[in-house]
Amino acid sequence: ETGVTQSPTHLIKTRGQQVTLRCSSQSGHNTVSWYQQALGQGPQFIFQYYREEENGRGNFPPRFSGLQFPNYSSELNVNALELDDSALYLCASSLGTESNQPQHFGDGTRLSIL
Amino acid sequence: AQSVTQPDIHITVSEGASLELRCNYSYGATPYLFWYVQSPGQGLQLLLKYFSGDTLVQGIKGFEAEFKRSQSSFNLRKPSVHWSDAAEYFCAVDSGGSNYKLTFGKGTLLTVNP
Repeated sequence: ETGVTQSPTHLIKTRGQQVTLRCSSQSGHNTVSWYQQALGQGPQFIFQYYREEENGRGNFPPRFSGLQFPNYSSELNVNALELDDSALYLCASSLGTESNQPQHFGDGTRLSIL
Repeated sequence: AQSVTQPDIHITVSEGASLELRCNYSYGATPYLFWYVQSPGQGLQLLLKYFSGDTLVQGIKGFEAEFKRSQSSFNLRKPSVHWSDAAEYFCAVDSGGSNYKLTFGKGTLLTVNP
């Protein structure tokens, strides 16, 4: 069983640029959630995708957007990057959107904004 | 809004000693509660979860946690810590329903002395 994989592992961008992060969900999982983890903080929920539709969003501006593909893989796009966007971005997949289905996390993408 | 407080930022214990990590939550109803562990440079691994029923739940790696409604707490315990347990531990809550998103505490960093 293949776990959740994220790419790239590390990324360096400058302010104002745009970035795309990718996530392959665990085999059979149809739900993907994205989290931002700033240094020294717990992860914060960005949004969730279920069967290619957004299913809930946290307190993040519209420049954070996402996609989910028919194979359930997902992308997180961030436009007009700001210094505060520097963080570890975590993707988690699950079988369905109910809480009794545990979320399985990838190792994350470390994004640094210069 | 739901929230999670982990009062201890950093805890140091000796190998073989017992461990208790504290977690308090704020939520109107009975939440779904989770403990995750994060090793350096890695994603989050689920240790255990509580949904309902027996208030003492067993998890992986010899961890257990007890839900106490009267204290709004969900503390994580281990009778004898191993050096490999050194990591950051996150408590999380979910309100349930179809919009499944985890709200995390800020984490507790565990150091294990030989």
